[in-house]
Amino acid sequence: NAGVTQTPKFRVLKTGQSMTLLCAQDMNHEYMYWYRQDPGMGLRLIHYSVGEGTTAKGEVPDGYNVSRLKKQNFLLGLESAAPSQTSVYFCASTRTGGNEQYFGPGTRLTVT
Amino acid sequence: AQSVTQLGSHVSVSEGALVLLRCNYSSSVPPYLFWYVQYPNQGLQLLLKYTSAATLVKGINGFEAEFKKSETSFHLTKPSAHMSDAAEYFCAVTSGTYKYIFGTGTRLKVLA
Repeated sequence: NAGVTQTPKFRVLKTGQSMTLLCAQDMNHEYMYWYRQDPGMGLRLIHYSVGEGTTAKGEVPDGYNVSRLKKQNFLLGLESAAPSQTSVYFCASTRTGGNEQYFGPGTRLTVT
Repeated sequence: AQSVTQLGSHVSVSEGALVLLRCNYSSSVPPYLFWYVQYPNQGLQLLLKYTSAATLVKGINGFEAEFKKSETSFHLTKPSAHMSDAAEYFCAVTSGTYKYIFGTGTRLKVLA
């Protein structure tokens, strides 16, 4: 049981490049999330999904897109990276609302 | 709307001393409350959770927290700090829906 995994762990992009972050969970959880963590700001919700085939915007969705074609996977895309998107990105999942979230190890992204 | 306030972005304690990390929440409905710990370059791990069963909640690694509705608080304590407790700690609240609100975190330093 791997829990929540994220790939890649590190990435450096140039401004304007695109990339996709992959999150996978093997706990059959319904809800999945993408957060970004910046110093002194805690975790901010980018997008979330409450089930396969569904996605919704969170607190800071601009510049990101997501897809959840399979229940176990949640992809986060950056179409045209900007330096303001330099951050650590965490994926999380939970069975249903009110339960604890399980977090992946994070992806450290630097945009130059 | 829900919110979480963590007082003190940095807390230092001596090894063997009491650890007290403060969390105050705001919620118009009965909340579910969580404390997570984040070690350097890792994701968040659940320490403990309050889901209305008992006001005093015991977690892993000797931590506990008490839910005080009258004070809207959920402070985290540990009687005796260990060097391995040095990490960042996050308080989070949810009403049972998809949405989780995180505090900005408290970095705990343990002095030898």
